[in-house]
Amino acid sequence: DIQMTQSPSSLSASVGDRVTITCRASQGIGHYLAWYQQKPGTAPNLLIFDASGLEPGVPSRFRGSGSGTDFALTIDRLQPDDVATYYCQKYDNVPWTFGQGTKVEIK
Amino acid sequence: EVQLVASGGGVIQPGGSLRLSCVVSEFTVSDKYMSWVRQAPGKGLEWLSVIYRGGDIYYADSVKGRFTISRDNVKNTLYLQMNRLRGEDTAVYYCVAGHYSPWGQGTLVTVSS
Repeated sequence: DIQMTQSPSSLSASVGDRVTITCRASQGIGHYLAWYQQKPGTAPNLLIFDASGLEPGVPSRFRGSGSGTDFALTIDRLQPDDVATYYCQKYDNVPWTFGQGTKVEIK
Repeated sequence: EVQLVASGGGVIQPGGSLRLSCVVSEFTVSDKYMSWVRQAPGKGLEWLSVIYRGGDIYYADSVKGRFTISRDNVKNTLYLQMNRLRGEDTAVYYCVAGHYSPWGQGTLVTVSS
């Protein structure tokens, strides 16, 4: 099975900073990658699909990039409302594995 | 508005069985890939199973042979039959439509004696 390695596991940044989370697949998965934001006690919320497609209603400060094995989620101008845990997920073939998650906090 | 409403969670003893349901509105359950994902307390997301539009079914190794995914097109409902439950199955269980969205609100399963 393809493994998804997400990094860092946590980060702390200031409001207004640019933040980047990476997700690496152990084998190529094309562009079949999604990014989610999850706040405590709630279901994950889709941010990005197909590696770089912005889900309608998601602020444009969220950007997805990459293909093949290396992907990134960038948050431009970090806001207090962005405090959450972020996950990547591959869906090229089963199993549709998730990354381990990145907890984002405000300094 | 598309909605997925999961139910059926609760407290169950180790070795017991439970069936989760996910009622879908605004689309037909057989028209999309439908999957189950779980999240143990304080842990990350774990993909469990998918049923494709054509009926093909796949499972994660962690639940293969114990869990069964199915759907009822008349009731427009997705199911997860969970047998031989273990403590490590304690989690919030989410149903998901399509590859990645939308998600149901989750239902908590606690396996404990």
